[in-house]
Amino acid sequence: DTEVTQTPKHLVMGMTNKKSLKCEQHMGHRAMYWYKQKAKKPPELMFVYSYEKLSINESVPSRFSPECPNSSLLNLHLHALQPEDSALYLCASSPVGGNFFGYTFGSGTRLTVV
Amino acid sequence: AQRVTQPEKLLSVFKGAPVELKCNYSYSGSPELFWYVQYSRQRLQLLLRHISRESIKGFTADLNKGETSFHLKKPFAQEEDSAMYYCALNAGGTSYGKLTFGQGTILTVHP
Repeated sequence: DTEVTQTPKHLVMGMTNKKSLKCEQHMGHRAMYWYKQKAKKPPELMFVYSYEKLSINESVPSRFSPECPNSSLLNLHLHALQPEDSALYLCASSPVGGNFFGYTFGSGTRLTVV
Repeated sequence: AQRVTQPEKLLSVFKGAPVELKCNYSYSGSPELFWYVQYSRQRLQLLLRHISRESIKGFTADLNKGETSFHLKKPFAQEEDSAMYYCALNAGGTSYGKLTFGQGTILTVHP
């Protein structure tokens, strides 16, 4: 399996809702990432997990709460989001150690906050 | 802090013509550089990385440390090359795994 799988593909939520995005990979990668991408813009890093521990938080608002329950799974819990949080949320994974060879990206969850 | 600049937001060429997508970076250390491609309605895919010195789908890119550039080239563009292309940099060290992306270039190859 050489893919990163993200669910759901689309999500519409109200500003008072709580929802979660899920990301799964079975490539044995020990680093996993959340990125946010607005239309026609580059991805912006949100969080990095390395060996299931949070190693980078790019000053993301607390309404986004990441979780890495095991080496294959990464979640992003969403609460009290704003309409400007509407975007494509991308998960990625990579091996850890040695030269960095880049990520494998998932296809993303398109989030709309209403 | 590292920065990646892709000066062309849009680039149009005709099928069979050479194409060059420009990427310049600023970083004081030894960066690892990548090109990612995003075809319409598809996921972001790694196209090539400088450390591997590979050629994928006819594309090549050479790291020029003197000019701090990593331009992407293809001698004969194909219509299926039409996509968004992102140049990205990894600084390593405590930023290991963190990719800084350029703003992207939309390449359109006309028949």
